[in-house]
Amino acid sequence: EAEVAQSPRYKITEKSQAVAFWCDPISGHATLYWYRQILGQGPELLVQFQDESVVDDSQLPKDRFSAERLKGVDSTLKIQPAELGDSAMYLCASSLRSGGETQYFGPGTRLLVL
Amino acid sequence: GENVEQHPSTLSVQEGDSAVIKCTYSDSASNYFPWYKQELGKGPQLIIDIRSNVGEKKDQRIAVTLNKTAKHFSLHITETQPEDSAVYFCAANGYGKLTFGQGTILTVHP
Repeated sequence: EAEVAQSPRYKITEKSQAVAFWCDPISGHATLYWYRQILGQGPELLVQFQDESVVDDSQLPKDRFSAERLKGVDSTLKIQPAELGDSAMYLCASSLRSGGETQYFGPGTRLLVL
Repeated sequence: GENVEQHPSTLSVQEGDSAVIKCTYSDSASNYFPWYKQELGKGPQLIIDIRSNVGEKKDQRIAVTLNKTAKHFSLHITETQPEDSAVYFCAANGYGKLTFGQGTILTVHP
């Protein structure tokens, strides 16, 4: 069964450092999502890609976060500089298309900022 | 934006009992309502979903009901087993994106 792949699974960094997360969606899925999940809460959308284009980044803190999906397949989410409040689970999901299509999640990257 | 409220925040049942989790949403244009199960340290896994053209959907021990007029939907798990213990999230696709509830921690005691 096809799955969404994410790496690394865990990341510990110091504040003010740069971190990057990678996601490989299910093959053929045009839409890719990055979510942030704070402990004890539901996932919150950071950015949504349709192929290589950003369709929603309204909740992405653009002063320190960036995301790209250059060839419309895998994607990278970067934080620079990391802050203590960025400690969370970063989840990647993909779907065939946007708008009411089933989203499949990867295992996530657990980030701890010290 | 969309607002999804989920209750209860914690639910404890005995093995074999039923469990019910309820969600309400705010955007009347929402037409897709998935439920996810998340185990510790893992990503959410889709367990069942429902679209607005149906009122109920069942898959073995799991069922979801939708009341569009009242803007609420519920997850029903029958004959609960210890392996059902996890955090469950509802979601609705209002305003073009999925908005999740706060989650319900379900504990099934053997």
